[in-house]
Amino acid sequence: GAVVSQHPSWVICKSGTSVKIECRSLDFQATTMFWYRQFPKQSLMLMATSNEGSKATYEQGVEKDKFLINHASLTLSTLTVTSAHPEDSSFYICSASNRNSPLHFGNGTRLTVT
Amino acid sequence: LAKTTQPISMDSYEGQEVNITCSHNNIATNDYITWYQQFPSQGPRFIIQGYKTKVTNEVASLFIPADRKSSTLSLPRVSLSDTAVYYCLVGDSYNNAGNMLTFGGGTRLMVKP
Repeated sequence: GAVVSQHPSWVICKSGTSVKIECRSLDFQATTMFWYRQFPKQSLMLMATSNEGSKATYEQGVEKDKFLINHASLTLSTLTVTSAHPEDSSFYICSASNRNSPLHFGNGTRLTVT
Repeated sequence: LAKTTQPISMDSYEGQEVNITCSHNNIATNDYITWYQQFPSQGPRFIIQGYKTKVTNEVASLFIPADRKSSTLSLPRVSLSDTAVYYCLVGDSYNNAGNMLTFGGGTRLMVKP
């Protein structure tokens, strides 16, 4: 089945630094990738939709200059949290879609900003 | 955008059958219904997807009535490892790249020994 790999699985960074999270579709080409954020005991919240070769579409309230998304190929999308602050600490999850399978999710990245 | 409503939590015991119902009154003609399972600190895992009537795979069954305004995920003979949060999502294409972007609250299933 479709496999989505997310890296790193966890990261700790200092306030003010930037962190990059990678999302790869391992056995299929993903025309669209999605980035979610999940706080403890809460549901997943969609942050942005990323289409290969074009700019990402951000949900209302998500700062595009803070959460930089790049989808340069059909198998890789990256999310960069710039100038991270403690309130950005969360569980970030990506998912990928093609025309032949339901949405598949990565295993998430636990970001802790100190 | 089809909104989904699920019970917040459910308790069960090992070996029992568990049925989780999801309401989606505003489901559109092209929408599919998909269920995901999520363990703590992991991404959601695809369980099953259907459009109408009944779908069964190796882990679950999905029952969808004729009006498609609800669906029921059935987990046969649950075990402790089935303790997780279950999400029902509704979307407008098989690849779920359309309206299936919004997660509802999910149902927290607790399986007890």
